[in-house]
Amino acid sequence: QAVVTQEPSLTVSPGGTVTLTCGSSTGAVTSGHYPYWFQQKPGQAPRTLIYDTNNRHSWTPARFSGSLLGGKAALTLSGAQPEDEAEYYCLLSLTGEVVFGGGTRLAVL
Amino acid sequence: DVQVVEFGGGLVQPGGSLRLSCAVSGVTFSTYWMNWVRQAPGKGLEWVGNISPDGSGKYYVDSVKGRFTISRDNAKNSLYLQMRSLTAEDTAVYYCLPGRGYWGQGRLVTVSS
Repeated sequence: QAVVTQEPSLTVSPGGTVTLTCGSSTGAVTSGHYPYWFQQKPGQAPRTLIYDTNNRHSWTPARFSGSLLGGKAALTLSGAQPEDEAEYYCLLSLTGEVVFGGGTRLAVL
Repeated sequence: DVQVVEFGGGLVQPGGSLRLSCAVSGVTFSTYWMNWVRQAPGKGLEWVGNISPDGSGKYYVDSVKGRFTISRDNAKNSLYLQMRSLTAEDTAVYYCLPGRGYWGQGRLVTVSS
């Protein structure tokens, strides 16, 4: 089974910008992998921030954006808020399987 | 609004079986790939498997192949997960996840004697 890699942890200052990445052991991530990004806070169900690389849901704050960057999927948070402190997971659709990344714990400090 | 509600779950003994259901409203269910996702206590998200819109295509993570079966009833806007030969490693909150990522609250499945 393919492995999807994320940074284990990142820290961003309030108001700052941070980019989380999502790579695949099978090679470069493309739009054909339909990257998703999810946010999960302790004790809560996940919620989807981005689907199909760069599409926001109606509830996704505009400060979150998705893209492809250097062969990986990327989630950029511009203007971090304290409430953005959470675990972030990416998901990729690979051939015959769907794989989650291990998650990035984002601290806003 | 899109609503996703999972049903079933609970405590089951090792080697036992359990069936989860999921009802989806607010989207055209029959056009969506549907996924089951789980999260073991204190762990990350794990994709369990999915099913194509017409039910003809099904894919599973290796650890559940031959034990879990996904099915759907498009007339009832419902998704199902039949789980057999359960082990402690299957203990998790199970989520039904339509394409585009609408989450319910999930259902806890605990495998323990």
